[in-house]
Amino acid sequence: GENVEQHPSTLSVQEGDSAVIKCTYSDSASNYFPWYKQELGKRPQLIIDIRSNVGEKKDQRIAVTLNKTAKHFSLHITETQPEDSAVYFCAARKRLNYGGSQGNLIFGKGTKLSVKP
Amino acid sequence: AAGVIQSPRHLIKEKRETATLKCYPIPRHDTVYWYQQGPGQDPQFLISFYEKMQSDKGSIPDRFSAQQFSDYHSELNMSSLELGDSALYFCASSLRTGDTEAFFGQGTRLTVV
Repeated sequence: GENVEQHPSTLSVQEGDSAVIKCTYSDSASNYFPWYKQELGKRPQLIIDIRSNVGEKKDQRIAVTLNKTAKHFSLHITETQPEDSAVYFCAARKRLNYGGSQGNLIFGKGTKLSVKP
Repeated sequence: AAGVIQSPRHLIKEKRETATLKCYPIPRHDTVYWYQQGPGQDPQFLISFYEKMQSDKGSIPDRFSAQQFSDYHSELNMSSLELGDSALYFCASSLRTGDTEAFFGQGTRLTVV
């Protein structure tokens, strides 16, 4: 089955600096890679996603890159702000063979990002 | 916009009791996923349903069962509860067609004492 590894587990940056979180996946059939932000005790919320037919996607201060050959994808946050502090999870999903339905999301272990003012 | 609704938000049970968690997906979403998240851990996939049929199964204990009903809501039934079952249980929903995102509910915090 799919296995997603995420690094680093903790990341501390100064406000205004950039933050990069990296993930690798094992199943080459995975075709959808979302990133979730989770604040303590709250639900994961999607911040950006990328599909396997795209190499890079950007949304304001957040960008994601995907290297299908190497099976890794990364989250880049520029001009970090204290409110960016949270746990970030990457995930991977593939389409199941039967009926073309979506498979489940497999999550990385998470990165606790702290942005110091 | 309507979101994924989970009930109850909090639940306290004693060991060996049973619990039922409910999930109401976003209208017209036909796929439901259940995840278990322990303190400081990543969400672990339990089980998913598409059109009322189980579509995938993860690390769901035999003591747990789940189903999706005709109105697409889903219930996670947990029996013989153990202390280690204490966790946040999230339900997420999505549309089968297309690679659409999964939306998470607020979660049910289960505490087994």
